[in-house]
Amino acid sequence: TQLLEQSPQFLSIQEGENLTVYCNSSSVFSSLQWYRQEPGEGPVLLVTVVTGGEVKKLKRLTFQFGDARKDSSLHITAAQTGDTGLYLCAGPSGTYKYIFGTGTRLKVLA
Amino acid sequence: GAGVSQSPRYKVTKRGQDVALRCDPISGHVSLYWYRQALGQGPEFLTYFNYEAQQDKSGLPNDRFSAERPEGSISTLTIQRTEQRDSAMYRCASSLGQGRYAGSTQYFGPGTRLTVL
Repeated sequence: TQLLEQSPQFLSIQEGENLTVYCNSSSVFSSLQWYRQEPGEGPVLLVTVVTGGEVKKLKRLTFQFGDARKDSSLHITAAQTGDTGLYLCAGPSGTYKYIFGTGTRLKVLA
Repeated sequence: GAGVSQSPRYKVTKRGQDVALRCDPISGHVSLYWYRQALGQGPEFLTYFNYEAQQDKSGLPNDRFSAERPEGSISTLTIQRTEQRDSAMYRCASSLGQGRYAGSTQYFGPGTRLTVL
């Protein structure tokens, strides 16, 4: 059974600080996705990483896919209160199914 | 608005009753997923449709849960003889492409919060 474990589970930081969220598995994934979910809303896709070792940047967010395609990280530089939310990684499992990670709840304090 | 819509947004029912949750995907989207999400956790896969064909139902917890998408558009998730443990947020998502190819983005609906008393 493929599992995606995220760490930390909770993170509370001050505005302006940097942070890294991790998504780990013992299984190889063909791709991994990162989503952000705000309270009362559905998850919204931020990025998809496909190639081992790939690094993608989205403004202050940097996403990395591990060389072995078993893990990924999300780094946020100079966090803002608008970054507050639940961050989820997700990967395909089988032909049609997606599995989601355990989630990291981020709170950025002003 | 052209997003995924779900109804009802909130449903309170008594144990033993049947409920039907509706998902209206983005027009033209081939794929439709149903998920169940506990508070603060990631969505848990329930089932997947490719047009009207239910091609993966491995995540449905038991035979009280069923889903259909008869015309390849709107989908209904039905839970029969509801139990308190069925209480959760039920979300659907749609995507333009088929299956899990890397370029296919899932667009999630706002969810239906089901409470079984």
